[in-house]
Amino acid sequence: AQKVTQAQTEISVVEKEDVTLDCVYETRDTTYYLFWYKQPPSGELVFLIRRNSFDEQNEISGRYSWNFQKSTSSFNFTITASQVVDSAVYFCLGGGFKTIFGAGTRLFVKA
Amino acid sequence: EAGVAQSPRYKIIEKRQSVAFWCNPISGHATLYWYQQILGQGPKLLIQFQNNGVVDDSQLPKDRFSAERLKGVDSTLKIQPAKLEDSAVYLCASSYGGNTEAFFGQGTRLTVV
Repeated sequence: AQKVTQAQTEISVVEKEDVTLDCVYETRDTTYYLFWYKQPPSGELVFLIRRNSFDEQNEISGRYSWNFQKSTSSFNFTITASQVVDSAVYFCLGGGFKTIFGAGTRLFVKA
Repeated sequence: EAGVAQSPRYKIIEKRQSVAFWCNPISGHATLYWYQQILGQGPKLLIQFQNNGVVDDSQLPKDRFSAERLKGVDSTLKIQPAKLEDSAVYLCASSYGGNTEAFFGQGTRLTVV
């Protein structure tokens, strides 16, 4: 069985602070895929990033960066210099051919 | 490139009535998903199609929900009869394959009264 855990229910930061969203994906599979999605107040889910289990290289894209550590099953997502427009619910997904959503982390960025 | 299209955007029905939702995926995407998202929760997969075959429908309440994907393109999700607890947003998504990123439509907000 697979499990996606997002332990942080809500996070509140002040604009320009850095914020890290945690995700733990547990599975017995050796090959799997991890995703982060953003759901702003408008409701539409927006794809952010995708990682493969066999590639642990961490990357940066603009203000977004992610840290994947297979040994701890963690796939954390960091927003640098947060902005009010980053306020949304962030979902982590994990799986092989079938993926499951975590419960989500609601991020509030205050001006 | 056109995104995933869903209709209607909103629907209000009385309990025990039936309702249908329509989804047109991104052209060329073989995999299509229907999710149910109850307020304050993460999306729950109802059914996953690969072309016009069902890959996973383990969480679809088959006594009242049905879905089909005609010719491996468009899909419809039906609820008959609806219950109050079916009030949710129904999201359609599509992807090239089961392990690639999915792109979501705007969803249909269903209210059952």
